[in-house]
Amino acid sequence: EPEVTQTPSHQVTQMGQEVILRCVPISNHLYFYWYRQILGQKVEFLVSFYNNEISEKSEIFDDQFSVERPDGSNFTLKIRSTKLEDSAMYFCASSVGHVIQDHMNTEAFFGQGTRLTVV
Amino acid sequence: QKEVEQNSGPLSVPEGAIASLNCTYSDRGSQSFFWYRQYSGKSPELIMSIYSNGDKEDGRFTAQLNKASQYVSLLIRDSQPSDSATYLCASERGALNTGFQKLVFGTGTRLLVSP
Repeated sequence: EPEVTQTPSHQVTQMGQEVILRCVPISNHLYFYWYRQILGQKVEFLVSFYNNEISEKSEIFDDQFSVERPDGSNFTLKIRSTKLEDSAMYFCASSVGHVIQDHMNTEAFFGQGTRLTVV
Repeated sequence: QKEVEQNSGPLSVPEGAIASLNCTYSDRGSQSFFWYRQYSGKSPELIMSIYSNGDKEDGRFTAQLNKASQYVSLLIRDSQPSDSATYLCASERGALNTGFQKLVFGTGTRLLVSP
């Protein structure tokens, strides 16, 4: 069964360093997202990406964050200068985004996550 | 602030019983609703989606949506110990003319199924 894959599964970085989290979405999906979950808190939306551009971003997604789809399969999240409060699980997700009857199929499937620890 | 509210639990049920999980949402523009299961330290796993008022059944799971009351529920029949997890309710307000918009998650309800 197709799945979203993320690498690495765990990343430890020093405060102020740049990190790149990588994702391979499901191949026929058109919408890609990053979410994060700080330990013990709810899953929070960061950014959505469609047709090679950001379609929506949250207030969390400031200038320190960027996303890129460098080729036909990978989708990356870059944090330029990490802060302690960036420590969280980062989830990539994708959805097919096609129309079924009178609504869009927006079921999003999540990767296994990257645990980012900033020290 | 558009919110999705869930009781954090834990909800404890014996094996074989029906577990009933509830969720309310504040954004009347929400179009789609989802239930995810999340085991500790793992990623959310999609269980059900529901778009229209009424019930939707898939195996042991039934999702119920009442847009007038802004209420979504998930029933799990014949609960198993392996169903013990946190169940996340999420809403999304995308429509045909706007495309997909972000998922808004609740904090989740922890379900414990005892053997």
